[in-house]
Amino acid sequence: AQSVTQLGSHVSVSEGALVLLRCNYSSSVPPYLFWYVQYPNQGLQLLLKYTTGATLVKGINGFEAEFKKSETSFHLTKPSAHMSDAAEYFCAVSGSGSNYQLIWGAGTKLIIKP
Amino acid sequence: AAGVIQSPRHLIKEKRETATLKCYPIPRHDTVYWYQQGPGQDPQFLISFYEKMQSDKGSIPDRFSAQQFSDYHSELNMSSLELGDSALYFCASSQGFPSGANVLTFGAGSRLTVL
Repeated sequence: AQSVTQLGSHVSVSEGALVLLRCNYSSSVPPYLFWYVQYPNQGLQLLLKYTTGATLVKGINGFEAEFKKSETSFHLTKPSAHMSDAAEYFCAVSGSGSNYQLIWGAGTKLIIKP
Repeated sequence: AAGVIQSPRHLIKEKRETATLKCYPIPRHDTVYWYQQGPGQDPQFLISFYEKMQSDKGSIPDRFSAQQFSDYHSELNMSSLELGDSALYFCASSQGFPSGANVLTFGAGSRLTVL
């Protein structure tokens, strides 16, 4: 069975500091990995995804994530936080065949301190 | 670019009433997914349709039903509403047969409040 663990329900960083949101997964099949962002009272927006190929994936708004199979991780990073990055971030995993449904992490709320 | 359209955006109902949520997928997207997100929760998968047929079923209560129509829009019907049904309901769409690599595009959600 697939599962996703996001470390830290809340992460607080200062504006301009590095953002690191952690995501670990378990999957019995080669995974597809996603990060979605949800701004207050809005829908989920895809930040980036890993399906195949290069393990360092660049997304929108300056975010990137690296798929590390040996560590079963897909951590999300951004070199310099902006106030506009304050939102909730969800990591999700899916697999192939009958395991195609997205399995979601519990989400991490990113707080940006001025 | 066209996005996933959900209506209504907000809905207030009394217990035991019924509610219908509508979802219009991105043009040429033939798969629709419904999710329920409670306060502070991650999205919970309810049900999905591909080419107007149910493709998968998640934690959808028996009081709820859904269908996808010939124009690919979908409706989620909720009856005998309970307080616990208060949540944000998301619709998402994707193109092609459901697979793990599909990228889901989400609508802005319909917020249901049951009083």
